[in-house]
Amino acid sequence: EPEVTQTPSHQVTQMGQEVILRCVPISNHLYFYWYRQILGQKVEFLVSFYNNEISEKSEIFDDQFSVERPDGSNFTLKIRSTKLEDSAMYFCASSERPYTEAFFGQGTRLTVV
Amino acid sequence: AQSVTQLDSQVPVFEEAPVELRCNYSSSVSVYLFWYVQYPNQGLQLLLKYLSGSTLVKGINGFEAEFNKSQTSFHLRKPSVHISDTAEYFCAVELVNNAGNMLTFGGGTRLMVKP
Repeated sequence: EPEVTQTPSHQVTQMGQEVILRCVPISNHLYFYWYRQILGQKVEFLVSFYNNEISEKSEIFDDQFSVERPDGSNFTLKIRSTKLEDSAMYFCASSERPYTEAFFGQGTRLTVV
Repeated sequence: AQSVTQLDSQVPVFEEAPVELRCNYSSSVSVYLFWYVQYPNQGLQLLLKYLSGSTLVKGINGFEAEFNKSQTSFHLRKPSVHISDTAEYFCAVELVNNAGNMLTFGGGTRLMVKP
């Protein structure tokens, strides 16, 4: 069964460092997303991406964040200068089109120290 | 802005008993409704969704949910739970005509099935 794959599963980084979270969406999907879940809080939408551009983004997705689909298969989330409050589980998801099932990856746990 | 409330953070239940996980939402516009399940160390998996039509929606693993527009609710039910249903369950909404597939999630309900 096709699945969304995220790497790494856990990343520890020092405050102020840049971090890149990687995702391989399902191959025939056209819409890609990042969500995050701070420990003990709700899953929050960060950004959606279609046709090589951002289609929606939340208030959380400020200038410190960027997304890219560098090679037609990977979908990355970059945080330029990490803060302690960026510590969270980050989920990548993909779907064929809106309102169809969004398939989620297993998540990357980011710990900023 | 829309919001989703899952009233119960944890629901303990014995195996083979029925269960209902509650979800209420608020939105000034029409929404689509979803239930996702997260098993330990796994990602979110879609259980069921309501887009239009019949208000009673059947999903995977014997779960069903009923959309009640007047009460702005979308409660999840299963008539007889199994140990394997132990997981975190998330209710989510998406605004109709929002092209970005931006889901707004509730806080989650941890279902704990006991033998």
